[in-house]
Amino acid sequence: ETGVTQTPRHLVMGMTNKKSLKCEQHLGHNAMYWYKQSAKKPLELMFVYNFKEQTENNSVPSRFSPECPNSSHLFLHLHTLQPEDSALYLCASSPPPGAGANVLTFGAGSRLTVL
Amino acid sequence: AQTVTQSQPEMSVQEAETVTLSCTYDTSESDYYLFWYKQPPSRQMILVIRQEAYKQQNATENRFSVNFQKAAKSFSLKISDSQLGDAAMYFCAYRSYIKDDKIIFGKGTRLHILP
Repeated sequence: ETGVTQTPRHLVMGMTNKKSLKCEQHLGHNAMYWYKQSAKKPLELMFVYNFKEQTENNSVPSRFSPECPNSSHLFLHLHTLQPEDSALYLCASSPPPGAGANVLTFGAGSRLTVL
Repeated sequence: AQTVTQSQPEMSVQEAETVTLSCTYDTSESDYYLFWYKQPPSRQMILVIRQEAYKQQNATENRFSVNFQKAAKSFSLKISDSQLGDAAMYFCAYRSYIKDDKIIFGKGTRLHILP
């Protein structure tokens, strides 16, 4: 257990469904991230939130919608997904600059399958 | 833009032997952090070792050590006395000191440990 918790761990959804992934950390970190990990592709940074403000949106399609209500929680809302969106979605958090050498702490991931 | 390159998609090493994983990166910045992360079959990303670019001394964590060559922009990971539990995907990562909410990962090297 790293201190970053992702739910659900596995999700199967149809292309017309709406679902959400949740990430929670109580490490006192200020930054939270969503990464997408597909087979045989590098880790893709999707979104970054710093103190609840989105600081990075890496050209992610609008069918992925992030939400960060506070520094401890991060959501990824999913709607009208495509089969190619099937992947492992990793959440991570990191401390403020100067604290802990800015190490990322990852959750265990949410395995998404789009039918 | 910064890039991270891991030129070895897969490597194998005999148990108890030593193996070195390569990583090169490209940046115009002088201050940054470098990391090696391990992702075992459980898919949980775990920090192995980290290096601050301003430090000349190579980081060491038990059986893991790095060879940091700043001028050559090289950051290799050496695993001594390889154990079966070291089998995993290893990712090299770069984090800017200035824009520290963006972390860039290499494509990874899959390490097999032969009994």
